[in-house]
Amino acid sequence: AQTVTQSQPEMSVQEAETVTLSCTYDTSESDYYLFWYKQPPSRQMILVIRQEAYKQQNATENRFSVNFQKAAKSFSLKISDSQLGDAAMYFCAYRSASTFGNEKLTFGTGTRLTIIP
Amino acid sequence: EAQVTQNPRYLITVTGKKLTVTCSQNMNHEYMSWYRQDPGLGLRQIYYSMNVEVTDKGDVPEGYKVSRKEKRNFPLILESPSPNQTSLYFCASSFHGLGGGETQYFGPGTRLLVL
Repeated sequence: AQTVTQSQPEMSVQEAETVTLSCTYDTSESDYYLFWYKQPPSRQMILVIRQEAYKQQNATENRFSVNFQKAAKSFSLKISDSQLGDAAMYFCAYRSASTFGNEKLTFGTGTRLTIIP
Repeated sequence: EAQVTQNPRYLITVTGKKLTVTCSQNMNHEYMSWYRQDPGLGLRQIYYSMNVEVTDKGDVPEGYKVSRKEKRNFPLILESPSPNQTSLYFCASSFHGLGGGETQYFGPGTRLLVL
């Protein structure tokens, strides 16, 4: 079974600075997808960024980028120019690329990010 | 607007009183799933459905039932709720089988308190 580990329960960063959230995962599969979801105080789950394991290029979405290290099974999220609206719980999630079974997301336990004005 | 809706958003009930949390999506998605979120545990899958009349257990199915009679709806049923089912529940949906990796869209969540 796959597992996802987020070793930083809480992080804080000064507004306009850069912060990196860590995520590691364990899997025996070679093809899969990785996601970062943001959960603000409203509790809504919002997709931030996704990465296909077969792609070597790291995904980027505006101020959000990932550092995907497949051999190390590491998938960190970098937030540049942090804004007050980035304050949230961030979840890393894994999904098998198999299309013949359960497409469940396996989540980490989350990192609560605080932005300091 | 493409969305997943859940009702109710908040619910307080007592042990043993049957309840249903509804989930509906308007994106014609085949795949739907229920998760529960608990502090320090992240989100864990309860049940999932790959299409109409096709459902199966996730990681924490005990105490829950589901049905999928229509493509758009996937209700979660608690026949006899207990306090350990107090949690935040999310419904999610996505297309199925199109090369995989389809983004799952989440509903707004239902906060349940069982006394």
